[in-house]
Amino acid sequence: DSGVTQTPKHLITATGQRVTLRCSPRSGDLSVYWYQQSLDQGLQFLIQYYNGEERAKGNILERFSAQQFPDLHSELNLSSLELGDSALYFCASSPQDRNTEAFFGQGTRLTVV
Amino acid sequence: DAKTTQPPSMDCAEGRAANLPCNHSTISGNEYVYWYRQIHSQGPQYIIHGLKNNETNEMASLIITEDRKSSTLILPHATLRDTAVYYCIAPTGANNLFFGTGTRLTVIP
Repeated sequence: DSGVTQTPKHLITATGQRVTLRCSPRSGDLSVYWYQQSLDQGLQFLIQYYNGEERAKGNILERFSAQQFPDLHSELNLSSLELGDSALYFCASSPQDRNTEAFFGQGTRLTVV
Repeated sequence: DAKTTQPPSMDCAEGRAANLPCNHSTISGNEYVYWYRQIHSQGPQYIIHGLKNNETNEMASLIITEDRKSSTLILPHATLRDTAVYYCIAPTGANNLFFGTGTRLTVIP
């Protein structure tokens, strides 16, 4: 158990809909990262937050947004969903924003039908 | 991130040491080398990291060459549960880890 909690574990929704994925980081970790992994694809970095502020942005679509709340949990919002958004979405956390190991949750499997 | 190069796949006999190489010839002086692994569809798992000295923990050892252009992750006694994709990463600046394609290690009974 990494200490990072992601909910829900599975999500099935229709095209055009909007969903919210939630991540609770390890206790004391200030940095949260979001990754997308499509079937048989690599891990694509989406976005990083540190202590409530956006720190780095990767290949995140404009239809996607994220935020980190004062209690340090984070949410990833996916809107106008397309079939191609079906993927595993992982959240990770680390104590600082650099030069530290990151710990990953078990992911949310999103299926868009 | 410094570009890293890893072999796409490797096999290792159960109980033997698994040595996974990584080239990072463009690494700069202050970039750490991190190793993670991902067992099928699970969240990636941190293994070890280092800057220039060799490192060892309960999971593995990390050997970094003196010029820091390459490193080797060593799993001393591979088990079937070590079958996974292993990623070598050298992030620059912020800790946004960019995962490449990694090495798919298969431990054979």
